[in-house]
Amino acid sequence: AQKITQTQPGMFVQEKEAVTLDCTYDTSDQSYGLFWYKQPSSGEMIFLIYQGSYDEQNATEGRYSLNFQKARKSANLVISASQLGDSAMYFCAMRPYNTDKLIFGTGTRLQVFP
Amino acid sequence: DGGITQSPKYLFRKEGQNVTLSCEQNLNHDAMYWYRQDPGQGLRLIYYSQIVNDFQKGDIAEGYSVSREKKESFPLTVTSAQKNPTAFYLCASSMRYSNQPQHFGDGTRLSIL
Repeated sequence: AQKITQTQPGMFVQEKEAVTLDCTYDTSDQSYGLFWYKQPSSGEMIFLIYQGSYDEQNATEGRYSLNFQKARKSANLVISASQLGDSAMYFCAMRPYNTDKLIFGTGTRLQVFP
Repeated sequence: DGGITQSPKYLFRKEGQNVTLSCEQNLNHDAMYWYRQDPGQGLRLIYYSQIVNDFQKGDIAEGYSVSREKKESFPLTVTSAQKNPTAFYLCASSMRYSNQPQHFGDGTRLSIL
């Protein structure tokens, strides 16, 4: 079965430090997409970064980068120079081959402290 | 500004009552989705639609119904058959067969009176 696993229910990081949020996925598809979303306490889902399974370079978007290790089926999110506003829930999601649907993990709650 | 509008933000349901959550998008997306989120949980797919007048069940469709009469609109009805409807409901839309992300509305929080 296709599945996303986020093993860290909660993470703490000090402001200005980097933090890695873990995500592993299970699929037999060769072609798939991986997404990270941020959900602040207000509830909206904010898209952060995308990695395609055939992309050779790790995706980067500003302070966000995706550490994509295809053989290990992991797609960890790295946030550099954490800010207080980064405190939120973070969800990893996978879009399997030939579908528009997303499969979400259970999320990691990140708290940034001064 | 292009986006997705969900209404209402908060909704209360009495026992035995059907309620309808609204979702409208002006992004010209073909595909639309409804998710349910319970406290401390991820998102679970209720229904999705890839084209007008067509929709498919997701993982937890029982007790819910949808319609897709217009490209811009994808309302969700929570029926009285849904015995545990208290949750946060998120609507999303996307282009089809694309690496573009799903765009989300701000959500509707449904509670039982």
